[in-house]
Amino acid sequence: QVQLQESGPGLVKPSETLSLTCTVSDHSITSGYYWGWIRQPPGKGLEWIGSIYHTGATYYNPSLKSPVTISVDTSKNQFSLKLNSVTAADTAVYYCAKGYPFDYWGQGTLVTVSS
Amino acid sequence: QSVLTQPRSVSGSPGQSVTISCTGTSSTIGAYNYVSWYQHHPGKAPKLMIYDVSRRPSGVPDRFSGSKSGNTASLTISGLRAEDEAEYSCCSYAGSHNWVFGGGTELTVL
Repeated sequence: QVQLQESGPGLVKPSETLSLTCTVSDHSITSGYYWGWIRQPPGKGLEWIGSIYHTGATYYNPSLKSPVTISVDTSKNQFSLKLNSVTAADTAVYYCAKGYPFDYWGQGTLVTVSS
Repeated sequence: QSVLTQPRSVSGSPGQSVTISCTGTSSTIGAYNYVSWYQHHPGKAPKLMIYDVSRRPSGVPDRFSGSKSGNTASLTISGLRAEDEAEYSCCSYAGSHNWVFGGGTELTVL
């Protein structure tokens, strides 16, 4: 059973960088599959942010206003999200997930953008 | 505003059937058979219920079924149970390695 766990600061100031890490257990990231980030702003629907393939190829949501980078650290079996120049609109619960299909998810972590 | 359109809420009594729609376009749902549905209880990780329009992951009851017609996908839950009360979100492939979600539908079991 694959397990994913998000970690990172719960509060980020406007214009700064939001950084989150997803630690994957019971499955090696290098063995295949896509690994993605999805968020849910308060009162709104889910939004796909981007995904990284086990080879390191990355794909991002072209609709996002803030620049995004997703990277993988195979030595730690983790993948990470960086969202630059955040605004209040980036306040959301952030999930990491395996897939498509997104068959395993982390519990989610709330990130608030506020000064 | 989400790319895929879902009703904000639906409701049904125990034992009844409900259907949740998810409307996209000819560039999303209409173009690909990569539609998935997720059940989301507050404070918990979303759970995959249906993928590839109508396939069920192991462990998901056969009370849950999915279908697609044109640009609209549907999730039907038959034999409603109290534990089905949750938010349900649809997701579709949008081409070029992009994925789009619906706004979510709150299911209330009366």
